[in-house]
Amino acid sequence: KAGVTQTPRYLIKTRGQQVTLSCSPISGHRSVSWYQQTPGQGLQFLFEYFSETQRNKGNFPGRFSGRQFSNSRSEMNVSTLELGDSALYLCASSAGGTGSNQPQHFGDGTRLSIL
Amino acid sequence: GENVEQHPSTLSVQEGDSAVIKCTYSDSASNYFPWYKQELGKRPQLIIDIRSNVGEKKDQRIAVTLNKTAKHFSLHITETQPEDSAVYFCAASGNNAGNMLTFGGGTRLMVKP
Repeated sequence: KAGVTQTPRYLIKTRGQQVTLSCSPISGHRSVSWYQQTPGQGLQFLFEYFSETQRNKGNFPGRFSGRQFSNSRSEMNVSTLELGDSALYLCASSAGGTGSNQPQHFGDGTRLSIL
Repeated sequence: GENVEQHPSTLSVQEGDSAVIKCTYSDSASNYFPWYKQELGKRPQLIIDIRSNVGEKKDQRIAVTLNKTAKHFSLHITETQPEDSAVYFCAASGNNAGNMLTFGGGTRLMVKP
């Protein structure tokens, strides 16, 4: 099975711009979660999508948004970029479903640099 | 919300020795505890996980223990090898509908040959 695929791998943007990141989950996985990784704050949960619906949301401002398509692929959007948004954005997929948590498998991430 | 603390932040051991990394969590409703290994420039890789109905789980040289009463869990690596050098993250997830991991701050493990 192919793993979680994230595109692009690297992005350079300037303050005020917006960006869209893409994530294709492992085949058959219906849950996609997004995390931000920085040296200072570590790994922080952004949001989770399951069956095209946002199921959980972390403590990030409304500039961070996402969506999921019917084929379970997900996109994350950040508007009005700030210098502090520079980070590695990781996507993780799991089988999903309700009840017990399922193991999450990460992609290689998109490294976003804001100039 | 959930808070996970991880210690130590750095750990240096000789090849062949054991390494132990400890995590504590705050939410007694948390019931799933995975561990991830992240090598430099690579994705976090799930190496072992444990659920709250189990006290210990082993997979070859790796084991995880869970103490629900004390709200802490630990990763044990025996017979360490240089390729075990990486940053290790613990995480916790509650009994909500979905997958929402709260991570510890990470432990940089260095195994000296």
